[in-house]
Amino acid sequence: ETGVTQSPTHLIKTRGQQVTLRCSSQSGHNTVSWYQQALGQGPQFIFQYYREEENGRGNFPPRFSGLQFPNYSSELNVNALELDDSALYLCASSLVGAAINYGYTFGSGTRLTVV
Amino acid sequence: KNQVEQSPQSLIILEGKNCTLQCNYTVSPFSNLRWYKQDTGRGPVSLTIMTFSENTKSNGRYTATLDADTKQSSLHITASQLSDSASYICVVTSFSGGYNKLIFGAGTRLAVHP
Repeated sequence: ETGVTQSPTHLIKTRGQQVTLRCSSQSGHNTVSWYQQALGQGPQFIFQYYREEENGRGNFPPRFSGLQFPNYSSELNVNALELDDSALYLCASSLVGAAINYGYTFGSGTRLTVV
Repeated sequence: KNQVEQSPQSLIILEGKNCTLQCNYTVSPFSNLRWYKQDTGRGPVSLTIMTFSENTKSNGRYTATLDADTKQSSLHITASQLSDSASYICVVTSFSGGYNKLIFGAGTRLAVHP
C-alpha cells in the first residue's frame, strides 16, 4: 500500500508567478484535500476534491484552484503568487463512503517560498 | 466560529517524564477529534481518533481523552522519549455542506531533552 506522495518537496518562486503542486493519493482513497500551513501555525483548509469535483472550500481566494484526475491524484495551482503564500502545502487523501472513522493520510508537503 | 485552541503553545520536558497537552474546541457539528504528531517539515501522522461517545483512547505511550460536554480533549504522553519531540496537533472534524472538514489547532511544540 503506497502512502501520499507530494512533489516537488521544495520550490522557490517569484512574486506574481504561478505554481503547480502535485499529490498522489494513497491506494484505495478517492478524496483529496489541500492545506496551507504557515510557519508555527496549524494547517488551514484550502479545498477538497471528490470524484474530480471540488466539494468543499476554505477561506482562500479564487487564485487558488485545483484539479483531481481519474486516478484520484490531484494538483493545486496558485496564480499571481504573493509573499504571504510562502508556506508548507499539505495534501491529504481519504476514503469517502467508509465508516465515519476513516482516516486521513497526509503527504510530507511541499515547502513553497515566494521571494 | 469553529475554533480549536491548544495549550501550552510549547513545552520542554526531560526524557522519561510524562506530559499532558490540552485542546479546547468550539466546533459544530462535531464528528470526531483526532490527535496528530507532526515532525518539522513533514506531514501530520495520526495518533488517535475519538467520536463523541468515546472518553479515552490509547496508542502505545499516547493516551487521549475527550469530554464532549465541556468540549475538551487532552493528550497524555507517558515516559517521553527524544523521538517524541514534535508538534502535536488537535484536529476536530465537522461534517457540514456535504463533506467532512478538518479544523486544526495551532499545535503544541514539544521538546524532549536528555
